[in-house]
Amino acid sequence: AQSVTQLDSQVPVFEEAPVELRCNYSSSVSVYLFWYVQYPNQGLQLLLKYLSGSTLVESINGFEAEFNKSQTSFHLRKPSVHISDTAEYFCAVSHGNQGGKLIFGQGTELSVKP
Amino acid sequence: NAGVMQNPRHLVRRRGQEARLRCSPMKGHSHVYWYRQLPEEGLKFMVYLQKENIIDESGMPKERFSAEFPKEGPSILRIQQVVRGDSAAYFCASSPPNSGPPTFGSGTRLTVV
Repeated sequence: AQSVTQLDSQVPVFEEAPVELRCNYSSSVSVYLFWYVQYPNQGLQLLLKYLSGSTLVESINGFEAEFNKSQTSFHLRKPSVHISDTAEYFCAVSHGNQGGKLIFGQGTELSVKP
Repeated sequence: NAGVMQNPRHLVRRRGQEARLRCSPMKGHSHVYWYRQLPEEGLKFMVYLQKENIIDESGMPKERFSAEFPKEGPSILRIQQVVRGDSAAYFCASSPPNSGPPTFGSGTRLTVV
């Protein structure tokens, strides 16, 4: 069975500091990997995805994640965070043939302080 | 493209009443998924539907919960005889056939009093 573990429930960080949100998964088959962001009282927005190809994927707002098959990880990083990055971040996996059926981690609350 | 539309945004029900949550998928999307987010938890898959068919309901509670996606109209998640433990945010997502991750709606926040 698939599972996703986000190792940190809360990550406080100062503005302009780097941040890493950790995600590990377990699966016996190939997976697709995603990061979603949820701002307060809103739905989830897709931040970035790994389907195949290059193991390093980037978003338009400076986040990046690297798929590491040997460590079964998909950690999310940003070299310099902004106050507006304060949100909850969810890592998720799916099997290719299961489309939108996602298994989510527990979420990591990123709090950026001035 | 209006995105995935869910209504109502907030719903308050007394214990024992019925809750009906609606979801209109994005234009061109024929696959609908429902997820539940309990307080302090991540999202849990509930059910996957295509038009007039339930494809996967492995995450649905065995009693009181049902879902449909009729040929015409929105997808409906129905919770009968609600209890306090049903209080949660319910998210709908949709996707086109065989294509990438789903797009989520803004959710319906159900409060049972």
